[in-house]
Amino acid sequence: DIQMTQSPSSVSASVGDRVTITCRASQDISTWLAWYQQKPGKAPKLLIYVASTLQSGVPSRFSGSGSGTDFTLTVSSLQPEDFATYYCQQANSFPLTFGGGSKVDIK
Amino acid sequence: QVQLQESGPGLVKPSQTLSLTCTVSGDSMSSGNNYWGWIRQPAGKGLEWIGRVHTSGSTTYNPSLKSRVTMSVDTSKNQFSLKLKSVTAADTAVYYCAREPFAAFDIWGQGTMVSVSS
Repeated sequence: DIQMTQSPSSVSASVGDRVTITCRASQDISTWLAWYQQKPGKAPKLLIYVASTLQSGVPSRFSGSGSGTDFTLTVSSLQPEDFATYYCQQANSFPLTFGGGSKVDIK
Repeated sequence: QVQLQESGPGLVKPSQTLSLTCTVSGDSMSSGNNYWGWIRQPAGKGLEWIGRVHTSGSTTYNPSLKSRVTMSVDTSKNQFSLKLKSVTAADTAVYYCAREPFAAFDIWGQGTMVSVSS
């Protein structure tokens, strides 16, 4: 199985901050990576797929980059509604696997 | 717009079979080349992919669960289902169904909590 490691596991930030979350794959996954946002008691929401493609309706302050084994999710200017947990997911090979999550909370 | 809704018992006894159904509304499951998946999340923990089914009936399962999982699709009812046999407390989780059009899950159900307890 491909292991997905996210860092940091939690980060405290303020509204307006730039936040970057990293996801590292245990082997080369090309650009087969997606990012999700999950709020308490809710289903995950797709933000980005194939590493850098913004899902329809997702604000442009979210961006993704990377290829191979190292990927980043960046929120350029954190908004109140962005406080949540973020997960990466690889789609290169089965079983599909998720990172452990990165919680963004209010400083 | 397309919506997914999970349904099934919220409580299952140990050693029995967990059965869930996901109903798709807003479009036919057969339109597009979509896969339909199940993902679960124990309380306070991360996401685990269980497997997926195509409208053709083709399935792919997580090897860690493969011996206990069966997925199927009923396009006439616009539904797909999950069966997980021989459950234990470790199978207690929120179970999500989701659509997978291309290398990511773009639409999710709200999730259904399933507890395994006698």
